[in-house]
Amino acid sequence: DTEVTQTPKHLVMGMTNKKSLKCEQHMGHRAMYWYKQKAKKPPELMFVYSYEKLSINESVPSRFSPECPNSSLLNLHLHALQPEDSALYLCASSLPAGVNEQFFGPGTRLTVL
Amino acid sequence: RKEVEQDPGPFNVPEGATVAFNCTYSNSASQSFFWYRQDCRKEPKLLMSVYSSGNEDGRFTAQLNRASQYISLLIRDSKLSDSATYLCAVHQGQNFVFGPGTRLSVLP
Repeated sequence: DTEVTQTPKHLVMGMTNKKSLKCEQHMGHRAMYWYKQKAKKPPELMFVYSYEKLSINESVPSRFSPECPNSSLLNLHLHALQPEDSALYLCASSLPAGVNEQFFGPGTRLTVL
Repeated sequence: RKEVEQDPGPFNVPEGATVAFNCTYSNSASQSFFWYRQDCRKEPKLLMSVYSSGNEDGRFTAQLNRASQYISLLIRDSKLSDSATYLCAVHQGQNFVFGPGTRLSVLP
C-alpha cells in the first residue's frame, strides 16, 4: 500500500465555521506533513510531524491547528479562516524526516467564503 | 535569493524532442534532492530521487552537481503525456523546499 488518502476532497466553509481535514497513510512512515498550495505556485510547507511530535511549524497562523493522533493519522483543524486561506491542502508522508522522498495525498480543495 | 529556483518556462517542445530542466539551490547543507511532476489540479507525484552519481529511469535522467549547487532533469523522446509542471525539491534538515516549477508542454 503506497497510498496517502485525504478527506474530504472538496470543502466549502464560511469564515465562522470549524472544520477538519483528515489524512491517513499505512506505509509505516513516521513523518507526516501539511502543505498549502495556491494556484500556479509550489506547495508551501506548513507543519511537520516526526514520530507523532510536531517538529516544524512554519509560522502558520493559529487558525490552523494540526493534530497527529497516531503514526497513521494527521488532522488539520480549521477555525475562523479567511478567504485568502482558500487553496489546495496537501498531506504527505515519508520515512523519518530528513533525507527521504515524500509521498503526497490527492489534497483537499478548500474554499473559504 | 530564493532557496530553490527554476526557470518557470513554459517549455513548448514537439513530440520526440529532448528537453532539459535545471534547478539551483542556495543551501550548501542540503541533503537530498528529488524531481516531482504535477498535473493540473492534482498532487505532486514523485518522478525520481537524484543521486550524487546521477541516475536514469527509462527516458528520464537526473544529475546532481553539488559544487555548483544544481540538479538537472533530462527527458528524452518526449511524449504528449509528459506535459506537466516539473518541480524540484530539496531536503534541508527536516524542511522540504520546492522550486517554483517548470511548465512543459509537449506538442503533437
